[in-house]
Amino acid sequence: EAQVTQNPRYLITVTGKKLTVTCSQNMNHEYMSWYRQDPGLGLRQIYYSMNVEVTDKGDVPEGYKVSRKEKRNFPLILESPSPNQTSLYFCASSRRTSGDTKETQYFGPGTRLLVL
Amino acid sequence: AQSVTQLGSHVSVSEGALVLLRCNYSSSVPPYLFWYVQYPNQGLQLLLKYTSAATLVKGINGFEAEFKKSETSFHLTKPSAHMSDAAEYFCAVNAGGTSYGKLTFGQGTILTVHP
Repeated sequence: EAQVTQNPRYLITVTGKKLTVTCSQNMNHEYMSWYRQDPGLGLRQIYYSMNVEVTDKGDVPEGYKVSRKEKRNFPLILESPSPNQTSLYFCASSRRTSGDTKETQYFGPGTRLLVL
Repeated sequence: AQSVTQLGSHVSVSEGALVLLRCNYSSSVPPYLFWYVQYPNQGLQLLLKYTSAATLVKGINGFEAEFKKSETSFHLTKPSAHMSDAAEYFCAVNAGGTSYGKLTFGQGTILTVHP
């Protein structure tokens, strides 16, 4: 089954304690990205990756790191989490296409993070 | 720079009525535009996308959207609302020249459908 998985799904942590949220896809997609969702703000892109070893900043990259060492994995790292990073996080992946209206982007189930 | 504005954070319609969710964008280059849907406690699902082909784009579940360059709009419509359409809808723009580069989302519109 084609899917994007995220772990953990729920996480409560304390300020300053490093954490990693994993994202993995089984569709051999080139493109992967991370978003955070906050009430009234919609989704904001944190980082994205066009392929292995190619990453770039989205709209809100401060306080986050990513890496893309393998095509299937795109972990999100919070080196020193702060309460303003409490949010719902989504990972997504897709093929890199141009104009193919049948192509779709797959989203993971979300990770709800609370930083105390 | 690119941005998206969704007019109306909440829209309420009766079952069987027309659904119209408004989206206006700003982009310095020809944009790619998307609509996503999020059902309660679920992830996001791509409804449809515009990538410079036909200006009227048909998506899943009977939704469609029309790209109007002169109005910088990409409004989402469905002729007849169904109870199962109740969800939050997000419009997004990508001015990077590819289908899935840097996406900027609107703040979302919650659609409520009354019996």
